[in-house]
Amino acid sequence: AQRVTQPEKLLSVFKGAPVELKCNYSYSGSPELFWYVQYSRQRLQLLLRHISRESIKGFTADLNKGETSFHLKKPFAQEEDSAMYYCALSLNNNDMRFGAGTRLTVKP
Amino acid sequence: ETGVTQSPTHLIKTRGQQVTLRCSSQSGHNTVSWYQQALGQGPQFIFQYYREEENGRGNFPPRFSGLQFPNYSSELNVNALELDDSALYLCASSLAGQGNEKLFFGSGTQLSVL
Repeated sequence: AQRVTQPEKLLSVFKGAPVELKCNYSYSGSPELFWYVQYSRQRLQLLLRHISRESIKGFTADLNKGETSFHLKKPFAQEEDSAMYYCALSLNNNDMRFGAGTRLTVKP
Repeated sequence: ETGVTQSPTHLIKTRGQQVTLRCSSQSGHNTVSWYQQALGQGPQFIFQYYREEENGRGNFPPRFSGLQFPNYSSELNVNALELDDSALYLCASSLAGQGNEKLFFGSGTQLSVL
């Protein structure tokens, strides 16, 4: 079955500390993976996608097909990074399969 | 540039009733996807509309149906409401040809079924 697993519902770090939000996927095809973010009182928005190999707001994510993972990382967390983060997998039928999300809190 | 707008923002219905939710896509977008988000869960794909035709469907029963209009706005209709239909319903628009990865979401409609 195609699914996305985010094992941590809550993650708390101090400002300036590294942060890693975990994402594992299950998919038999070639995966297209994304991270979406929802800041407080804002709508869900795209943060980054693996095919772009981009860094947005200091965040990066590397697709590891061997471990079926797409963890989101940032070397130095900022308070404005506090948000809900969703990992998502694009399927062939235009379905975007989302994980349950991780709430990141960056403490001062 | 006008973003994705959804109406109403909140809705309360009783079991067995029918509901219609509305979505206006972002300017220039011709594809609309609908998602259901239960409390504490990620969004779950209901279906997608492209050029007024259903263009993919998730694991939802037929009582969930939709429409897309020539101006690319869309409706989600749910018949015979059940208590488990209580959720946040999100609409997302995108531009076909870029795949469904660049989704632009609305703020959602919070549906409560009593």
